[in-house]
Amino acid sequence: ETGVTQTPRHLVMGMTNKKSLKCEQHLGHNAMYWYKQSAKKPLELMFVYSLEERVENNSVPSRFSPECPNSSHLFLHLHTLQPEDSALYLCASSQDSTGGEYGYTFGSGTRLTVV
Amino acid sequence: KNQVEQSPQSLIILEGKNCTLQCNYTVSPFSNLRWYKQDTGRGPVSLTIMTFSENTKSNGRYTATLDADTKQSSLHITASQLSDSASYICVVSARFGNEKLTFGTGTRLTIIP
Repeated sequence: ETGVTQTPRHLVMGMTNKKSLKCEQHLGHNAMYWYKQSAKKPLELMFVYSLEERVENNSVPSRFSPECPNSSHLFLHLHTLQPEDSALYLCASSQDSTGGEYGYTFGSGTRLTVV
Repeated sequence: KNQVEQSPQSLIILEGKNCTLQCNYTVSPFSNLRWYKQDTGRGPVSLTIMTFSENTKSNGRYTATLDADTKQSSLHITASQLSDSASYICVVSARFGNEKLTFGTGTRLTIIP
């Protein structure tokens, strides 16, 4: 494990369901991120949180709703998703939102399938 | 527009052989370049990070090079092992106060016995 834990590892949901992805880090980092990784496409940054405040939202549809209750936990709430939202969702953390000396630590991701 | 292009898209080599992966970028202002290894079904793991002034950096059998003039980087893997089978992603950072990352699409490397 890298120090960033994501649950669940796999999720299948219908388009009318509501589900949440969870990310937890025990590295003492102050910044956390959600990325989307689709097949044969570069990682896409979705949200950035620094010290529990959202500092970046990259034009992500409102059916994705992030929540950062403290610097160790990050959630991604999902509702009324579309099949094209199926992807690997990666959480990452870093010392601060500048990336820090040691860069980013990624979790293992949640493989999401929308049916 | 900041871009990172990697080649080849995929590569298959025999165990024990060497290989080199390429990364070309147009990112400014350049801050650093990272190579990540991503095993299937896992998140990316950092291999190396290089700043503007560094030309080469090694991490075990992995050696990364950086030519900031031509905006090119390479990742050389020596004496490949089956466990090297993974996607290798080049990530270039621009610094505007906060850091902005541009990801390549990766090279899928398969090592066969």
